[in-house]
Amino acid sequence: AQKITQTQPGMFVQEKEAVTLDCTYDTSDPSYGLFWYKQPSSGEMIFLIYQGSYDQQNATEGRYSLNFQKARKSANLVISASQLGDSAMYFCAMRGYSTLTFGKGTMLLVSP
Amino acid sequence: NAGVTQTPKFQVLKTGQSMTLQCAQDMNHNSMYWYRQDPGMGLRLIYYSASEGTTDKGEVPNGYNVSRLNKREFSLRLESAAPSQTSVYFCASIRAWDRPGIYGYTFGSGTRLTVV
Repeated sequence: AQKITQTQPGMFVQEKEAVTLDCTYDTSDPSYGLFWYKQPSSGEMIFLIYQGSYDQQNATEGRYSLNFQKARKSANLVISASQLGDSAMYFCAMRGYSTLTFGKGTMLLVSP
Repeated sequence: NAGVTQTPKFQVLKTGQSMTLQCAQDMNHNSMYWYRQDPGMGLRLIYYSASEGTTDKGEVPNGYNVSRLNKREFSLRLESAAPSQTSVYFCASIRAWDRPGIYGYTFGSGTRLTVV
């Protein structure tokens, strides 16, 4: 069985600062993928970044980067230079055998 | 615009009523999913269809049934709604579940269901 753990229910950060959202996972699948999604107050799920289990380099997408530490089974999301529009719920998710398993999410609030 | 379309967006049901949530995607994706989102619980998988003609149970299938009508459409049915099924329901799709890469799952905008 797959499990995703997000231990931070809420995080606060000031505008323009960097923030790290934690995610640990557990799986017995040798091949898997890790995703981060953003859910603003409007409710839609927005795909941010993906890391494959065999990828050698950490994924980056603009201001988002994924700090992938395979031995520690962690896949933390780093947002650089936070913006007010980054305030949202963030979900870590893992793709295993045909399904996508989500963590419970971290609410990020960015203050001016 | 290409994407995943869910209907309806909002629905109020009385306990015991039935209804079907509709989902359609126009991206030629093979795999489709139904999730429910409850406060503090994240998204939990109800049912999925890895490919046309197949359906499988997810983490919380009780009280639900699904139909993969064709490659585009995947519906979720509540036969006898209960207050515990009050939730936001998301449909999602992906081109192929078994292909590694940067294929993000595409989500519909959600259906907010209240059972009274």
